[in-house]
Amino acid sequence: GQQLNQSPQSMFIQEGEDVSMNCTSSSIFNTWLWYKQEPGEGPVLLIALYKAGELTSNGRLTAQFGITRKDSFLNISASIPSDVGIYFCAGPYYNNNDMRFGAGTRLTVKP
Amino acid sequence: DGGITQSPKYLFRKEGQNVTLSCEQNLNHDAMYWYRQDPGQGLRLIYYSQIVNDFQKGDIAEGYSVSREKKESFPLTVTSAQKNPTAFYLCASSIDPPEQFFGPGTRLTVL
Repeated sequence: GQQLNQSPQSMFIQEGEDVSMNCTSSSIFNTWLWYKQEPGEGPVLLIALYKAGELTSNGRLTAQFGITRKDSFLNISASIPSDVGIYFCAGPYYNNNDMRFGAGTRLTVKP
Repeated sequence: DGGITQSPKYLFRKEGQNVTLSCEQNLNHDAMYWYRQDPGQGLRLIYYSQIVNDFQKGDIAEGYSVSREKKESFPLTVTSAQKNPTAFYLCASSIDPPEQFFGPGTRLTVL
């Protein structure tokens, strides 16, 4: 079953606004990955986090590995229309090949 | 151009028929993966392979089979034993798990 819980499920925001979303788990994860998926395409890796407390940026995106190792956060600053998509968190469960994904946060950006 | 290709993009089959989905990569990655994605849900791991001639079951392997005879190829067969095969199927590869790179996906519809 699903081990990762993402919130919110969906967001409708105005272009230029900042966005925050998070991912929580009842289990400890040693790595957190954030992916973006556009309609009908495969997910694209945005950010990988490997250390508790780590804060990593990729352009307008910033992600943090929670200090408890049971959560992670993704922020998008100054959103633009091409940010539209579904954002997934993921982490390895039994081993680094056994990846578990959250159900995603669907982002809509209104121009 | 290096990448992962999945073919075809859309596939239709009659109920009770086996169907094989193709996944090829020229990234020289050792590990390859198959996921299933249903509407509004995250990705669920079907099978993965760390090296040629070896593969492991994921979370939802029942009704599926795979082979890994070449490093570049990891085909997935959806058998008639899979009770609800209609879904979006994604193939991924990795040179440094857990970071995975995804193909464009195949949408399978069983009529």
